[in-house]
Amino acid sequence: EPEVTQTPSHQVTQMGQEVILRCVPISNHLYFYWYRQILGQKVEFLVSFYNNEISEKSEIFDDQFSVERPDGSNFTLKIRSTKLEDSAMYFCASGGLAGGTDTQYFGPGTRLTVL
Amino acid sequence: DAKTTQPPSMDCAEGRAANLPCNHSTISGNEYVYWYRQIHSQGPQYIIHGLKNNETNEMASLIITEDRKSSTLILPHATLRDTAVYYCIVRSQNDYKLSFGAGTTVTVRA
Repeated sequence: EPEVTQTPSHQVTQMGQEVILRCVPISNHLYFYWYRQILGQKVEFLVSFYNNEISEKSEIFDDQFSVERPDGSNFTLKIRSTKLEDSAMYFCASGGLAGGTDTQYFGPGTRLTVL
Repeated sequence: DAKTTQPPSMDCAEGRAANLPCNHSTISGNEYVYWYRQIHSQGPQYIIHGLKNNETNEMASLIITEDRKSSTLILPHATLRDTAVYYCIVRSQNDYKLSFGAGTTVTVRA
């Protein structure tokens, strides 16, 4: 069964450094998403991406964040200058079209630790 | 702006059916009810979704009341591996994001 994959599983970085989190969505999906979950808190939406552009973003997704689909398979989240409060699990999701609306399937996540 | 209300926790016995309630009294006509679960800190796992008809798949059944103001997720034979946080989410066709609440922490006991 196809699944969303994410790398790395754990990333440790120093405050102020740039990080790139990578995702390989399910191959025939058209919609791509990033969410995050700070330890002990809810899963929060960051951004959605469709047709090579951002379709929606949350207040969390400020100028420090960017997304890219550099080729036909990868979907990346870049954090330009990490802060301590960026420490969280980051989940990528992708969606196709099913039953009139797209169902999102999530990857296993990348645990980002900012020191 | 929570669109759904779920009990914070519930226990169920292994091998028995688990019935997870969700209230969504302000649901609109074009909004679907989605259920996901999250085991420990893994990525949320899609379970099932529906608009107004009851739905069943290999994982669970979804029962939506006729007025669509509430629904119940049924895990027919709960196993220890079903211990997870279960999220009921209302989402329209025009809305890209999933808005997760606190969900229901389900503990399956032997």
